[in-house]
Amino acid sequence: QSALTQPPSASGSPGQSVTISCTGTSSDVGAYNYVSWYQQHPGKVPKLMIYEVTKRPSGVPDRFSGSKSGNTASLTVSGLQAEDEADYYCSSFAGSNIGWLFGGGTKLTVL
Amino acid sequence: QVQLVESGGGVVQPGRSLRLSCVASGFTFSRHEMHWVRQAPGKGLQYMAFISYDGSRKMYADSVRGRFTVSRDNVKNTLFLQMDSLRSEDTAVYYCGRDLTDTYSIDYWGPGTLVTVSS
Repeated sequence: QSALTQPPSASGSPGQSVTISCTGTSSDVGAYNYVSWYQQHPGKVPKLMIYEVTKRPSGVPDRFSGSKSGNTASLTVSGLQAEDEADYYCSSFAGSNIGWLFGGGTKLTVL
Repeated sequence: QVQLVESGGGVVQPGRSLRLSCVASGFTFSRHEMHWVRQAPGKGLQYMAFISYDGSRKMYADSVRGRFTVSRDNVKNTLFLQMDSLRSEDTAVYYCGRDLTDTYSIDYWGPGTLVTVSS
């Protein structure tokens, strides 16, 4: 049961765009459209930012968008703001025998 | 408003058991599937367990299958995680989470309860 692969860090200047990748396999990310992205500030509870690959929950700014191609999902943050600095985790359903997998997390730094 | 509050964490010796609870309020508990996720100190999120609306369907991470058991009481609006044969690597903050109806994503999280497995 391997975790999904995310880059450990990403960065961008205010106003720029940054994309975080999440690579799985044909048994998880590639097989299901149940990819989610969570934002976690230090000492805080995770917050759902994207679900079902591309959908945003109510209240999440449209600066956050999700996509998927093959076995890799991506989270793009446009118009970076200081408050976007946080850890971001992807998650994918991987079937009834495994359940869900999380990525190792990406620390996003706003320069 | 939606609230999830975990309890039952603490310090426990390796090999012993612990039962976590998660009391839900502010929504119709029986209409949502539920999850347990943990986070070791300074580490990332790790999926633990899932339970369907009525408890008929359950899923577990490989690392805890056979040792942990998820259950729910829809009358008392409470989710449980029975943890047996605890190991030092089970030390983490344990979060319960509400599934955003049929999306397999967690839209509300509890504040978490810390479990420390140490002799």
